[in-house]
Order: sequence, then structure tokens, then C-alpha cells
Amino acid sequence: EAGVAQSPRYKIIEKRQSVAFWCNPISGHATLYWYQQILGQGPKLLIQFQNNGVVDDSQLPKDRFSAERLKGVDSTLKIQPAKLEDSAVYLCASSPAGGYGYTFGSGTRLTVV
Amino acid sequence: AQSVSQHNHHVILSEAASLELGCNYSYGGTVNLFWYVQYPGQHLQLLLKYFSGDPLVKGIKGFEAEFIKSKFSFNLRKPSVQWSDTAEYFCAVNAKGGGADGLTFGKGTHLIIQP
Repeated sequence: EAGVAQSPRYKIIEKRQSVAFWCNPISGHATLYWYQQILGQGPKLLIQFQNNGVVDDSQLPKDRFSAERLKGVDSTLKIQPAKLEDSAVYLCASSPAGGYGYTFGSGTRLTVV
Repeated sequence: AQSVSQHNHHVILSEAASLELGCNYSYGGTVNLFWYVQYPGQHLQLLLKYFSGDPLVKGIKGFEAEFIKSKFSFNLRKPSVQWSDTAEYFCAVNAKGGGADGLTFGKGTHLIIQP
């Protein structure tokens, strides 16, 4: 089966600019997650979608981050405006249901200068 | 909320040495437990997982882990490492049941195997 697709692979922006990342999960996977992985740390969950509804966004910095999953398939994560501390790899993962199996994408590496 | 602690941030071993990476979690309820590996330049891959049953879990590439409930631990082991095991290893948990099932990861252990 095809994996979780993410784009772009790399992005460099200046602080205060905006940026968007795209994720297409494995076909049929109802649950989609966005994680932030800062260098030297483990991934941190930002938001979880079940179909097109938000299940958990308790760790999403809502003043600058937003995410949507229209039609319950692909998803977009946006940062506006970006800060230096947002430099990280943004990972997307999907799961069929129940939290028992996750497939991760290769991630988008964001550098804010 | 859950938390995960990985005790060894950097480990250097010689080939054929035995490996044990520590992982402890904190959570008041029942959890599922995972170990992921991230090879340089690659995405996270599942090594093994524990949901229920036999607390000794075998995964891919000769890895195994043992869940000790009384110690809130899920240590990863391999009897004889290879140079190709050089990678970042992450322990992760999620709460069993309920809708919010995102993973909580530890900070990772950077493993270097010297030939």
C-alpha cells in the first residue's frame, strides 16, 4: 500500500512569514495526526483528526497554528506568523482506528531564519 | 496526561554487544506501548508494540521488549547489535481506549554501533 505522503520535504522561510504543509494519509485511514519534532527531541502531538473532526488539539499553539482536514482525507497544517522556535520537522501520521497502528510520513523540515 | 522517560540519550556500543534501552512511562490508566526507530534520513518505523497479553514482545530485526507493569517500564533489548542498528530509538505510549489516542514520545536514544 502507498505510504503517508507529505509535501514539501523542505521549507525555509523568514520569521513572521506564513507556511503550509500538506499531508495525504493512507487510503481508508480515518485518523490523521500532526506531530512536531524539534531537533534532539521526540515528536510532540499537535492535533488529531477523526475523519474531518478534531479529536485532540490541546497542544496546538492556536494563536499561530491552524489545521484542517476537509472531506476527511488530506490535511493542511499552517503556521502564521512563523517564529524561530517553529524550526522543526513536521510529521504526519495516519491510523485505521483505535490507536493500534500508525504509519508516519517522511516529514517536512521547516527552517525559520 | 502521559509522559515518557528514556534514560539514555546517547549510547555507543561495539558490534555484537548486547543492548538494553530503558523506557519508563507515567500514566494513571492503561496504556499501549511502542518502540519506534528512525534511521538517518528516514521516517519513523515501528519496531514492536504491546497492547495486552504476554509482556515479552518480539519485534522486527531481532528486537524485543518486556513490559513490567509494576515498574511502569518497557525496556528494549537486542542480544547482539549490528552496525546497521545505528539509529535514533523512541519509546512511545498512548492511552488505551477513548478517542484521543495520539502517541506521547520520549526524547529518544541515539544509538551508535561501532564496527
